[in-house]
Amino acid sequence: DTAVSQTPKYLVTQMGNDKSIKCEQNLGHDTMYWYKQDSKKFLKIMFSYNNKELIINETVPNRFSPKSPDKAHLNLHINSLELGDSAVYFCASSQLGTDYEQYFGPGTRLTVT
Amino acid sequence: AQTVTQSQPEMSVQEAETVTLSCTYDTSENNYYLFWYKQPPSRQMILVIRQEAYKQQNATENRFSVNFQKAAKSFSLKISDSQLGDTAMYFCAFMKHVAGNTPLVFGKGTRLSVIA
Repeated sequence: DTAVSQTPKYLVTQMGNDKSIKCEQNLGHDTMYWYKQDSKKFLKIMFSYNNKELIINETVPNRFSPKSPDKAHLNLHINSLELGDSAVYFCASSQLGTDYEQYFGPGTRLTVT
Repeated sequence: AQTVTQSQPEMSVQEAETVTLSCTYDTSENNYYLFWYKQPPSRQMILVIRQEAYKQQNATENRFSVNFQKAAKSFSLKISDSQLGDTAMYFCAFMKHVAGNTPLVFGKGTRLSVIA
């Protein structure tokens, strides 16, 4: 059983397109996150959702819009893709009041050409 | 804001030897968690070890142990009996302990190569 899954794992698209990345967790966690890993491997938080409500929105361009239809899903929609959006995007989840470990999905490698 | 610094971009170690990866952090918080994550070429993020700041005892997980120095804000990872499968990027991460989950703040990582 996959705890945190992401689709697709690879995404190649052209500048200006709109794309979505989906994330699902079957751990019953109440908090989900999106992180971005750039070409130098640096990982940085983009969004954090708790029980479908946006908690943290770092300085991310408004072309990025997270959507959480329910507690188990957190999708990332990106409008008007730019070359600089090329990165690996990780979804993660955690449960309040437990060991605070964040469980990561396998990542989605986005390449914008 | 919290920052995490890993001063060794790359390291290498012979198989079966011991290696220590450095991490320092800056925070004004008193309660927090520290983590080491491993990212092999498969890019999956794998938790190696965690440390609660209120615990004085250093965490240990099999061949992995930490040296947590709270006053110095230092959190190094020691890997004993290094194995080829330990080859990966290693990230040190900080998380505030507040009422609610908070995101991880990562260092820039150390690329570890284990040589046969």
